[in-house]
Amino acid sequence: DAKTTQPPSMDCAEGRAANLPCNHSTISGNEYVYWYRQIHSQGPQYIIHGLKNNETNEMASLIITEDRKSSTLILPHATLRDTAVYYCIVSAFGNEKLTFGTGTRLTIIP
Amino acid sequence: EADIYQTPRYLVIGTGKKITLECSQTMGHDKMYWYQQDPGMELHLIHYSYGVNSTEKGDLSSESTVSRIRTEHFPLTLESARPSHTSQYLCASSEDLGGNSPLHFGNGTRLTVT
Repeated sequence: DAKTTQPPSMDCAEGRAANLPCNHSTISGNEYVYWYRQIHSQGPQYIIHGLKNNETNEMASLIITEDRKSSTLILPHATLRDTAVYYCIVSAFGNEKLTFGTGTRLTIIP
Repeated sequence: EADIYQTPRYLVIGTGKKITLECSQTMGHDKMYWYQQDPGMELHLIHYSYGVNSTEKGDLSSESTVSRIRTEHFPLTLESARPSHTSQYLCASSEDLGGNSPLHFGNGTRLTVT
């Protein structure tokens, strides 16, 4: 299954848009891109996922490049509660052994 | 939104004790998972299940065992706890929709073995 690469850490000012990049250059055609976040020691929280098209929900937007080799998670108006570790993973049918990696530690600065 | 519950939230226990970590979900999800996570480290899949009577081992070798007698219940058991088992254990579930199925996680059990 495809692996992902994310920057280890990022800062973003409160109220600004947080743009978190993810590289998945070996993604295959049937693999979805998923984003989760983990706040402190809680269980990871699902944010959004997509296959080819850009997606938006009440939490965030997901922009997937046309070649699907990278994506960006956008938190449009970051708040202090968005401080967390953000994981980008890829997943396909039959692949139960999802690799979460180390993610990006996003810190929202007041 | 999926509801998935883990108990206890925190557990401190002595070496050699048998323990069972409980995980239940109310969404009727077929797939369930157990992850292990040390503080500040990656999540590692230790067990998963496709449905009733199905259990599989994950990537990380674990001395724990699991059972899936009912769809909603996926307990994890350690027959003889050791200090090396000290970690956070996270349970998750998902629908069986191929790759188009998000994982829903519980809040975990933080286990300390003294």
